[in-house]
Amino acid sequence: NAGVTQTPKFRILKIGQSMTLQCTQDMNHNYMYWYRQDPGMGLKLIYYSVGAGITDKGEVPNGYNVSRSTTEDFPLRLELAAPSQTSVYFCASSYWGSTDTQYFGPGTRLTVL
Amino acid sequence: QKEVEQNSGPLSVPEGAIASLNCTYSDRGSQSFFWYRQYSGKSPELIMSIYSNGDKEDGRFTAQLNKASQYVSLLIRDSQPSDSATYLCAVRGGNAGNMLTFGGGTRLMVKP
Repeated sequence: NAGVTQTPKFRILKIGQSMTLQCTQDMNHNYMYWYRQDPGMGLKLIYYSVGAGITDKGEVPNGYNVSRSTTEDFPLRLELAAPSQTSVYFCASSYWGSTDTQYFGPGTRLTVL
Repeated sequence: QKEVEQNSGPLSVPEGAIASLNCTYSDRGSQSFFWYRQYSGKSPELIMSIYSNGDKEDGRFTAQLNKASQYVSLLIRDSQPSDSATYLCAVRGGNAGNMLTFGGGTRLMVKP
């Protein structure tokens, strides 16, 4: 049981480039989330999904897109990368329920130059 | 806008002392409250959850919740250098989607 896995671990992009951050969970969780964490700050929700085929915006969705074609996978797409997107990106998953908690992947450190 | 506020610290305590971490939140409809620990360069990991007013103890950790004052705290007894980390308070509101709102975190330093 690997939990939540993310690839790549590190990436440097040039301004205007695009990339996809991959996230996979093997816990059969229906909820999945993408957060970003800027240095010395808390986590900000970018997008979330309540199940395959269903996604919704979080607090900071601009500049990002997501899709959820399977229960296991929730990729995050960055189009036209900007220096403001330099951050650490965490994917998380959980079961639905008020007492359920979120399990985080190891993160992707992205730098846009 | 829903907010969760924490003192960024650093909070410095000697080894063996009690560390007290505090968090306030703005959404009165909040249902669930969590403390995550995050070591430098690592992902957050859940250490405590609390859902009703009062205290909840788990080993050296005690979470305290006061919904009337919109206040949640974490006490760490017999603090160890290995407790040095950033502690994130997270609050789940009464909305659909199981969304958590995170505070900015408090950095704790336990000195030997």
